[in-house]
Amino acid sequence: QQPVQSPQAVILREGEDAVINCSSSKALYSVHWYRQKHGEAPVFLMILLKGGEQKGHDKISASFNEKKQQSSLYLTASQLSYSGTYFCGTEHPNDYKLSFGAGTTVTVRA
Amino acid sequence: DSGVTQTPKHLITATGQRVTLRCSPRSGDLSVYWYQQSLDQGLQFLIQYYNGEERAKGNILERFSAQQFPDLHSELNLSSLELGDSALYFCASSFSGANVLTFGAGSRLTVL
Repeated sequence: QQPVQSPQAVILREGEDAVINCSSSKALYSVHWYRQKHGEAPVFLMILLKGGEQKGHDKISASFNEKKQQSSLYLTASQLSYSGTYFCGTEHPNDYKLSFGAGTTVTVRA
Repeated sequence: DSGVTQTPKHLITATGQRVTLRCSPRSGDLSVYWYQQSLDQGLQFLIQYYNGEERAKGNILERFSAQQFPDLHSELNLSSLELGDSALYFCASSFSGANVLTFGAGSRLTVL
């Protein structure tokens, strides 16, 4: 079951913030976040395993609300290098599949 | 270089043909995942192997098959190819499930 991501696309100016949401209709075991730049392979950003967990990577952080079956990715003080398509991937208990959402394309402009 | 090697990088073939895509996982990784990414689309999960055994299956067509060999490399076989099979096929590996996936550079398949 693929997670649902929103928004589909976002355009930012350098220094602005953005939030990308990921939700599932089924109970979640973990949420992964990856970023794919145009013409390249997806690259791992972070994994969240426990309900309520938050993680950060530079000025990119994420939260995981196990009860709501949702995760959010926060881009703070965006930089040009943040441009790309962000995918959330979800795993469910007793199911080894890692299914990805449709992606959110982030464009950061100077 | 991510450590995951996919060959070939590009492949152009005709409808009705059969192709094999190959993936060598990162050293030490036991799991291999295959994903299909059509133009401007998301990553569609096809299949996962762990240490030679099929572990999870997605919406993989019957015309597609895969296997993981004792040396842990994996092959994805696509047969009776159709125009709609044109896509970027990614292989990813991890040490086990629920772990970080490392993606290869992908194999771009064009069916004419």
